Amino acid sequence: SAVISQKPSRDICQRGTSLTIQCQVDSQVTMMFWYRQQPGQSLTLIATANQGSEATYESGFVIDKFPISRPNLTFSTLTVSNMSPEDSSIYLCSADGGIGTEAFFGQGTRLTVV
Amino acid sequence: QQQVKQSPQSLIVQKGGISIINCAYENTAFDYFPWYQQFPGKGPALLIAIRPDVSEKKEGRFTISFNKSAKQFSLHIMDSQPGDSATYFCAASSTGTYKYIFGTGTRLKVLA
Repeated sequence: SAVISQKPSRDICQRGTSLTIQCQVDSQVTMMFWYRQQPGQSLTLIATANQGSEATYESGFVIDKFPISRPNLTFSTLTVSNMSPEDSSIYLCSADGGIGTEAFFGQGTRLTVV
Repeated sequence: QQQVKQSPQSLIVQKGGISIINCAYENTAFDYFPWYQQFPGKGPALLIAIRPDVSEKKEGRFTISFNKSAKQFSLHIMDSQPGDSATYFCAASSTGTYKYIFGTGTRLKVLA
């Protein structure tokens, strides 16, 4: 199984600023994913990140707001740009070792925008 | 059609009892159905998963029952323990895509 480390684990940010969340996997993975989880709610997929190509965004999420980088097979970043209080949420990084296999999750980044 | 409906939203069970959580889906292309357990402040962790070629899978106290014709699957936790208190998510995905569609979650509380 893969181990995923996310940084920071939590942050409190001022509105209008940006935060970059880092996700490191201890093994090479094909696909990495970024989810948002509102407190007490389910997971909503923001985007899928492939190495060497643009991320694929789900409906309701745009690259200008959530730029993603995937420079290699073990690392990805998600930036939450021009933050507002509505962006307060838990952001989760996930990786999948292959089609139809287990998806692993990081511990999440709890973001509060004030 | 991409939704996975999960119920109940919350569940309280006595220690030693059986916890049952249900999920239903519409998309017949889904062929992988995992259950995730999430403790507060932690990311979801895979508990057990099933493919539609079997109707039941058991791992310890955890069992998935799968009804392909009804497009439903459920998680049964036997001999529920206070340490099982967590939020449980069902999910679904299909071969050819790495994307998971998650249910809305069930907050389970097992009373000591």
